[in-house]
Amino acid sequence: AQKITQTQPGMFVQEKEAVTLDCTYDTSDQSYGLFWYKQPSSGEMIFLIYQGSYDEQNATEGRYSLNFQKARKSANLVISASQLGDSAMYFCAMRESHPQGGSEKLVFGKGTKLTVNP
Amino acid sequence: ETGVTQTPRHLVMGMTNKKSLKCEQHLGHNAMYWYKQSAKKPLELMFVYSLEERVENNSVPSRFSPECPNSSHLFLHLHTLQPEDSALYLCASSQARQGASPLHFGNGTRLTVT
Repeated sequence: AQKITQTQPGMFVQEKEAVTLDCTYDTSDQSYGLFWYKQPSSGEMIFLIYQGSYDEQNATEGRYSLNFQKARKSANLVISASQLGDSAMYFCAMRESHPQGGSEKLVFGKGTKLTVNP
Repeated sequence: ETGVTQTPRHLVMGMTNKKSLKCEQHLGHNAMYWYKQSAKKPLELMFVYSLEERVENNSVPSRFSPECPNSSHLFLHLHTLQPEDSALYLCASSQARQGASPLHFGNGTRLTVT
């Protein structure tokens, strides 16, 4: 069974500084995908970044980058130059390698609450 | 309108009521999902529809009944719910069979069962 672990219930960072949110995963599949989502207080889950297990380079999307260490089974999210609007819950998720019908079956971690201080 | 829209945003219902949650996606996707988000628990996948066919039912009690009349619309019919069913219900969509297609979520319906 696949499992996602986010060990940081809450994190604090000063505005304009970088922060790393931890995510470890457990799977016996060779092919899998890892996602990070942001959930502000409004409730919507916003897709941030994706890393495939065969991708050789770490994924980057603007201020977001994914520190992918396959041997350690970790996929940490790095947010550079934090902004007040980054305050939210952040969820790491893993895609099942053989989803039925071509759909995406994601398993989510419990999330990390990030607070950006001015 | 763009993205994934869920209505209502908030719903309070008694245990004997019947209500429905609605989800509509304007992204041209062909897979739709219902997730349940309870306090301090990971998101739980409830149902998956791919190409309008239900492909996943994660041991959800029969008091929850999904309906997918077409690729743009998804409903969750609720009846005789329990207080522990109070949660945020999130709808999502994706493009099936297109590699790593991220799920796009709606704002959710905050359900309170009294």
